[in-house]
This record gives sequence, structure tokens and C-alpha cells, in this order.
Amino acid sequence: QSALTQPASVSGSPGQSITISCTGTSSDIVNYNYVSWYQHHPGKAPKLIIYEVNNRPSGVPSRFSGSKSGNTASLTISGLQAEDEADYYCSSKRSVTRFFGGGTKLTVL
Amino acid sequence: QVQLVESGGGVVQPGRSLRLSCAASGFNFDKFGMHWVRQAPGKGLEWVSFFSAEENSEFYADSVKGRFTISRDISKNTLYLEMTSLRTEDTAVYFCARDGPHWDVDCWGQGTLVTVSS
Repeated sequence: QSALTQPASVSGSPGQSITISCTGTSSDIVNYNYVSWYQHHPGKAPKLIIYEVNNRPSGVPSRFSGSKSGNTASLTISGLQAEDEADYYCSSKRSVTRFFGGGTKLTVL
Repeated sequence: QVQLVESGGGVVQPGRSLRLSCAASGFNFDKFGMHWVRQAPGKGLEWVSFFSAEENSEFYADSVKGRFTISRDISKNTLYLEMTSLRTEDTAVYFCARDGPHWDVDCWGQGTLVTVSS
């Protein structure tokens, strides 16, 4: 079982905003500002889109943003585009190993 | 630019072994930790193993501990995953990935498919 809980799916129309939640515990999200988010188009390499809760790597559009409150981290995508349809995974520092959330399938209607 | 290319996947019978390779380029391979992450059919990402460049040590998920071994050859800029006593539940696409500086995984390969089946 995953240590981080995400909704199985979310959907939105082009131009709208959506938020994906990632709920952890006091062992991970609460204690550390090391939350990262990954975008994965099936058949392709996953891509880091957010690191340290709310930072975007170079080249990631500003419509991707992250936040954290208590034991829950969130990824918000504003101005949805068709190419945003993908699977999204969160991850948080917990120990020396790594954990991913169960993943959320984003459908752009 | 950073490039990670996995190879070595294929179909293997339960109980047998397989070695995956990941050729790295575009960065100082010896300075970075490296991960193996897998995705079983219809499932999410599962972290498998980590090689720490800082500590020169290895870490494994409980599901593979004692069966899989991660290693690297700095002279060849290559990461390996030796998989033994393979089980049907090890069937997955295996991704090689670079450990980032912010407790993240900042670069990923395209993956190689391992199918464990009789």
C-alpha cells in the first residue's frame, strides 16, 4: 500500500483549473518540505514538474503550481490544456527510500 | 543533455534471473545517486532501489530485498539492476532515474519491459 494517498481520477475542461491532492502522515509531508510531483504520459518517461512543494524545474509552464497544508500537498493546474491529460504522482521524503502516491489520472474533457 | 537509456528487459520464467542496464550520459554519473522505479501493468509507480553516490550504499524496497541488487560501473557510466528469483508480480516496466538535489527524481529513462511468465 502507498504511504501517500491520491484520488484515482480527476477531470476538467480546457481552460479550467483542477487540483490533485496528496495526503500523507506526520512521517512525511508534515515534517518535510520535500514534496515533488511527476507527470507521466503512458509509454513515455515520467517528468518532474514540481519539487520542494512549490518549485518548478526550468521549462515547466507556470500554470503548474504546488502547495502544502498540514499533511496534504496539492498540485494545481490552471488553464487546462489537452496535453495535460496524463497520470500524476506525488512523492515525499519519508526516510532514505522513496515513496510515490498511488497516482491520479487526469482527463481533459 | 541528460540521457538515460535502459536495456535488458524481456520475457523470463519465474525463478530465473535477468540483468537490466541503464546507460547514462550528459552528466557526471559518479556524482549522482540513481534509482530504479517500476510500473506494473495498470498500476502506479513503485520505487524499487536506490544507489547513493554520497554513501556508496544501496537501498531496496521490501518487495525486492534479498532478490535484487543495484550496482554501477563508473567507467562505463552504467547503472545495473540484477534481478534473481523473479516472480510474476515483478512484471513491469522498469525505469532508471537520476536522484535530484531536492529529494526528488529529476531525470527518467523511457523504461524497459520485464515480463515474468511461464
